[in-house]
Amino acid sequence: DVKVTQSSRYLVKRTGEKVFLECVQDMDHENMFWYRQDPGLGLRLIYFSYDVKMKEKGDIPEGYSVSREKKERFSLILESASTNQTSMYLCASSPLGGLSSYNEQFFGPGTRLTVL
Amino acid sequence: AQSVAQPEDQVNVAEGNPLTVKCTYSVSGNPYLFWYVQYPNRGLQFLLKYITGDNLVKGSYGFEAEFNKSQTSFHLKKPSALVSDSALYFCAVRDGRNTGFQKLVFGTGTRLLVSP
Repeated sequence: DVKVTQSSRYLVKRTGEKVFLECVQDMDHENMFWYRQDPGLGLRLIYFSYDVKMKEKGDIPEGYSVSREKKERFSLILESASTNQTSMYLCASSPLGGLSSYNEQFFGPGTRLTVL
Repeated sequence: AQSVAQPEDQVNVAEGNPLTVKCTYSVSGNPYLFWYVQYPNRGLQFLLKYITGDNLVKGSYGFEAEFNKSQTSFHLKKPSALVSDSALYFCAVRDGRNTGFQKLVFGTGTRLLVSP
């Protein structure tokens, strides 16, 4: 069974702290993604990675960075947490898609981050 | 740029009745369309996708969706709703043009409530 795991289900941090959210997938997928989910806004892409050490900005990268040192692991870093980063963070992975197909993304359970 | 609209924040239906969750999209090229479901405190689960071929797509848990190119819609349907179908449903679209990475754009979500 495919699996994407996230290091924490719930996390409470203070303003200004550096926060690490970890994501691991066991499916040997090339693509990995970080989204944040907010009510009324749906899912918004923060960063994605299509290979080890490769990363691309999504729609809302400000205040975040990422790291992908190994294929199975994709980390999201909040350099200096702020209250407006309180949200649900979802990690996902997918295999590469060919010209005539696109593979669905597999999601982790999410990390609900509260910044006080 | 691609976009997705889910015009209803919430859909209420009685158990045993048919359900429809609406989705319209906008892309420059041919659309790749997806439906995901999110149960409380869980990540997103893939339901079904349309890439090409038959306009009626069948997916998990008895759900199906109909692709309508002229109306740019991809509504999710089920003939007979179950209480356990109560969840948050997301429609997503990707532009099918193979010009580099094409991100998946999600709608804002529709909450489905099925009453006993």
